[in-house]
Amino acid sequence: NAGVTQTPKFQVLKTGQSMTLQCAQDMNHEYMSWYRQDPGMGLRLIHYSVGAGITDQGEVPNGYNVSRSTTEDFPLRLLSAAPSQTSVYFCASSNHRQGSNTEAFFGQGTRLTVV
Amino acid sequence: AQTVTQSQPEMSVQEAETVTLSCTYDTSESNYYLFWYKQPPSRQMILVIRQEAYKQQNATENRFSVNFQKAAKSFSLKISDSQLGDTAMYFCAFRAFGNEKLTFGTGTRLTIIP
Repeated sequence: NAGVTQTPKFQVLKTGQSMTLQCAQDMNHEYMSWYRQDPGMGLRLIHYSVGAGITDQGEVPNGYNVSRSTTEDFPLRLLSAAPSQTSVYFCASSNHRQGSNTEAFFGQGTRLTVV
Repeated sequence: AQTVTQSQPEMSVQEAETVTLSCTYDTSESNYYLFWYKQPPSRQMILVIRQEAYKQQNATENRFSVNFQKAAKSFSLKISDSQLGDTAMYFCAFRAFGNEKLTFGTGTRLTIIP
């Protein structure tokens, strides 16, 4: 039972480069989301999806794109990396339909540094 | 919009002692859920305990318990008989009923001293 798998765990990018953070879950969860964690600011929602083909913006969406072509995968794309995107990124999933008090499962995080 | 406030950026306590982490929140929702997550140095987010707002009884999970005061919008976490493995960052989080979005506090870094 893998749960939520994020890759890579660490990444260094140069300003202006693009990259995709991968997230996959094997629990058949409908809801998936991306958060970024910065010191003193907790976790903030970037984008989320309530099912395949449906995505929406969270609190801090600028500079990031997402898509949801399958239930299992929810990649996060940085089109042109900026130093302000240096952060730890978490993917999470939960079962939107199973009931209200559902637990969110988190990946192990990606530490991204933009130089 | 919801806000979650954790006013203690850092705390430390001796092993085997009891420690309480505070959390307050602001919302206009009447039905919601509150969570405490633990993030050890491994970075993994681990659910410690959850509370449904419509339940008056405070949730407990082994050494972890909460003091939920709905009128005061307060949701503190008590760790009894603290252990070295409790050293971690702790986040309080809010989720409205019917919505999967989580709103997090800024976290409290807890250190258990041997």
